[in-house]
Amino acid sequence: AQKVTQTQTSISVMEKTTVTMDCVYETQDSSYFLFWYKQTASGEIVFLIRQDSYKKENATVGHYSLNFQKPKSSIGLIITATQIEDSAVYFCAMRETGNYKYVFGAGTRLKVIA
Amino acid sequence: DMKVTQMPRYLIKRMGENVLLECGQDMSHETMYWYRQDPGLGLQLIYISYDVDSNSEGDIPKGYRVSRKKREHFSLILDSAKTNQTSVYFCASSLSSQTLYFGSGTRLTVL
Repeated sequence: AQKVTQTQTSISVMEKTTVTMDCVYETQDSSYFLFWYKQTASGEIVFLIRQDSYKKENATVGHYSLNFQKPKSSIGLIITATQIEDSAVYFCAMRETGNYKYVFGAGTRLKVIA
Repeated sequence: DMKVTQMPRYLIKRMGENVLLECGQDMSHETMYWYRQDPGLGLQLIYISYDVDSNSEGDIPKGYRVSRKKREHFSLILDSAKTNQTSVYFCASSLSSQTLYFGSGTRLTVL
């Protein structure tokens, strides 16, 4: 069965620094998709970035990048040059190929301090 | 403009009343979802719809049912709402194995 675990409940960082949020997952499938989503203070859930399991190269979008360590079943989200508006709750999610179900972690609350 | 629209944004109901939450998407996505979000529990899957009249239970379907008569609309129905169904409900849609897109959520309070 699929499972996604985010062990960091909350993180505080100074503005303009780099932060890494951890996520580990469990799956029996050899092919799957990994996602990170951001939930803003207004409650909106926005897609940030995705990693396909067959791709060796880490995905990067803007100031978001991923640290994909397949042998460790780990997909960390890295935010560089953090800004106040990055303050939000970040969710990691997984979907196995051929399975329509997306499974989410419990989320990590990030606070960026000026 | 790709969008998932949920109505209403806020809803207050009394225990025992029926509740209808509606969701629409303009992306012709086949697959749609209903999730609920409670503090500390993340997003829990209630139902999946693969297409019109093709629905499947998620992890917590008890107390809920769904309806999908058009590809662009997916409804969540609570027959005789209970206080423990107070939550934030999110609708989402996706195309094949692609990214999941979320609506803005409906905050439901059952008194």
